[in-house]
Order: sequence, then C-alpha cells, then structure tokens
Amino acid sequence: DARVTQTPRHKVTEMGQEVTMRCQPILGHNTVFWYRQTMMQGLELLAYFRNRAPLDDSGMPKDRFSAEMPDATLATLKIQPSEPRDSAVYFCASGLHGYSNQPQHFGDGTRLSIL
Amino acid sequence: AQSVTQLDSQVPVFEEAPVELRCNYSSSVSVYLFWYVQYPNQGLQLLLKYLSGSTLVKGINGFEAEFNKSQTSFHLRKPSVHISDTAEYFCAVSDQGDYKLSFGAGTTVTVRA
Repeated sequence: DARVTQTPRHKVTEMGQEVTMRCQPILGHNTVFWYRQTMMQGLELLAYFRNRAPLDDSGMPKDRFSAEMPDATLATLKIQPSEPRDSAVYFCASGLHGYSNQPQHFGDGTRLSIL
Repeated sequence: AQSVTQLDSQVPVFEEAPVELRCNYSSSVSVYLFWYVQYPNQGLQLLLKYLSGSTLVKGINGFEAEFNKSQTSFHLRKPSVHISDTAEYFCAVSDQGDYKLSFGAGTTVTVRA
C-alpha cells in the first residue's frame, strides 16, 4: 500500500531551536496538507498545497512557521524559533483533488516536544 | 467553514456490544462526510465516506454510517465491537468543491472484555 511518510517520528529539542519536519506524499497526489493535533485544540489545519503551490496557510502562525514544497515528493514544515507551546503531533496528509474528492491519506505524524 | 460536533468525547463499551458515535455538522449546503479512526501513535485512517447516493454507507471493519441531511448528522455505528476497535474516531466534513476538511473533536472508544 502507498503511504505518506513523515520524518522524524519523534523530536525533542530546546526552546529557540529550529525544527524541520518532512513529508513524502503518496506518488501522484497533487494536494498536501499539514495538521497539528493537541489535546486542547484537536486537529487544526495549518496549511495546504496544490500542485506544490500554497493555497491556504491561514492556520499557521506566520512569524515562526513556514511551509514549502521544494518538489512534488517533499513537503517541509519549519518552526524557527520553536516555543514550548508548539509541542504537538504534526500530521501530513496527501490527496488527489479533482477526482471525486478522494479522501486524504495521513502519515503517522511527528511528535514534537519543545522543552 | 464547517463546524463539526461530536457529541460524545468518551464511549466505553463491552466487547460484542453495539456502538454508535454521533456527529453533527453546521451547514446544510452540499457536503462530503468522512469518518476516520486513529489508533495510538498512528495517523488517521479512513473508515468510510459519503459523497452522494445512498445515505447508508458501509466502511471497513464492519462500520457503517447514515447521512441525514435534514438533521445534518452522520452517525457511525457498529453492531458488535471488538477489543481491537479501541481507538479515537473523528468525524470530518468538507463543502463540495472544497478539499479542506473540518474535524470534530474526536470520540475515544474503549472496548472492554
């Protein structure tokens, strides 16, 4: 089965450090999403891309977060500088928009702890 | 944007008993509806989806859901649960033509022997 791959699976770092999370979407998928999951807020959409172009990043704190797709096989989410309140599980999902609204496929997430 | 309400945050249930998880969404415009399941330390997996057609949708692992447009609901059911169904379940909605999903807060199902 094709899968969305996220790395690293776990990350522990100190406040102020840069954090980079990576996502390899399913080959052929044209849409990539970044979500954040916390106990308090649940699942929040941070940003999404279609055909590598950012379509919506309104859910993302602009001052410290950035999301990019350098190529069709890689999406990145960066936090600089990181803060303890960024501790969460970050999920990437990919999908094929335009084909009967195919469901999003999720990776296993990056569990981020900022000390 | 859609608002999704999952009415139960925790549902304890005995093995082989039926379970129903309730989901209501905010808008009466045309929508797509989904149920996802999340096992510990894993991502979300699709259980089932409603795009159009029959209002009763069957998914994986014996789950089914019924779309009720007048009630703006999409409740998930399973007639007989297993220990392995212990997980968190998320209802999600998107407006037709919009690929963004709005998720409910989740319902934790704990199945006991």
